[in-house]
Amino acid sequence: NAGVMQNPRHLVRRRGQEARLRCSPMKGHSHVYWYRQLPEEGLKFMVYLQKENIIDESGMPKERFSAEFPKEGPSILRIQQVVRGDSAAYFCASSRGQNDEQYFGPGTRLTVT
Amino acid sequence: DQQVKQNSPSLSVQEGRISILNCDYTNSMFDYFLWYKKYPAEGPTFLISISSIKDKNEDGRFTVFLNKSAKHLSLHIVPSQPGDSAVYFCAAPPGSGNTGKLIFGQGTTLQVKP
Repeated sequence: NAGVMQNPRHLVRRRGQEARLRCSPMKGHSHVYWYRQLPEEGLKFMVYLQKENIIDESGMPKERFSAEFPKEGPSILRIQQVVRGDSAAYFCASSRGQNDEQYFGPGTRLTVT
Repeated sequence: DQQVKQNSPSLSVQEGRISILNCDYTNSMFDYFLWYKKYPAEGPTFLISISSIKDKNEDGRFTVFLNKSAKHLSLHIVPSQPGDSAVYFCAAPPGSGNTGKLIFGQGTTLQVKP
C-alpha cells in the first residue's frame, strides 16, 4: 500500500514564476491537508480539502496561493508569482476521515532564486 | 501566536539513557495531543498520542505525560537509541469545531550519541 506521494521532491523557481506542487493521497483516503515548514520552524497548516471541496483554508496566504483536489487526480498546491519568502518545505498529509490519523508525504522542497 | 511551543531546539543524550522532550500549550480547549518524529528529507511520522482524559500513555520505549493544569506535556524515550535521532514535533488539533488540521510546535532535534 503506497504511502502519500508528493512530486516533485525538489523544485527551483525564479522569482515571478509559478510553482505547482502535487500530492497523491494514500489509497482510500479522501481528506488532504497541506502544511508549510519554513526554515527552523514547525509545520504550519495551510489548507484542508476533500474531493472537489475546500473545507478549511484559514492558513492560506490571501494572495498568490490556491489549492484544489479534483474528483480525479492529485491535489495541487499552486503558488503564482513566487517570491523568495515562499522558499520552504511543503508537506501534504492525507487521512481516511476528518479526525483520523494523518499520514504525511515526503514533502516538496521549493527554492525560489 | 504560537499555541504549541517547544522551547528547546535541541537535545543531546547518550545511548541507553532517558530522553525527555517537552511541549507547552496555551489553549485550554486542546484535548488531544500527538507526537511526530521526522527524519531529514522525509515527512513526519506519527509516534504516540494522548487524550486529555488521561495523564499518561505508554507504547514500548515511548511514554507521553500530560499535565493539564500546567498545560504541559512531555515525551520520554527509554532507553534512547541512536536511531531515535530525529526532529520531534508535538501537535494538537485546535479544539471544538476542528476541521482536522493540526497545530505544530517548532520541533526539538534529538541527537542520541552511541
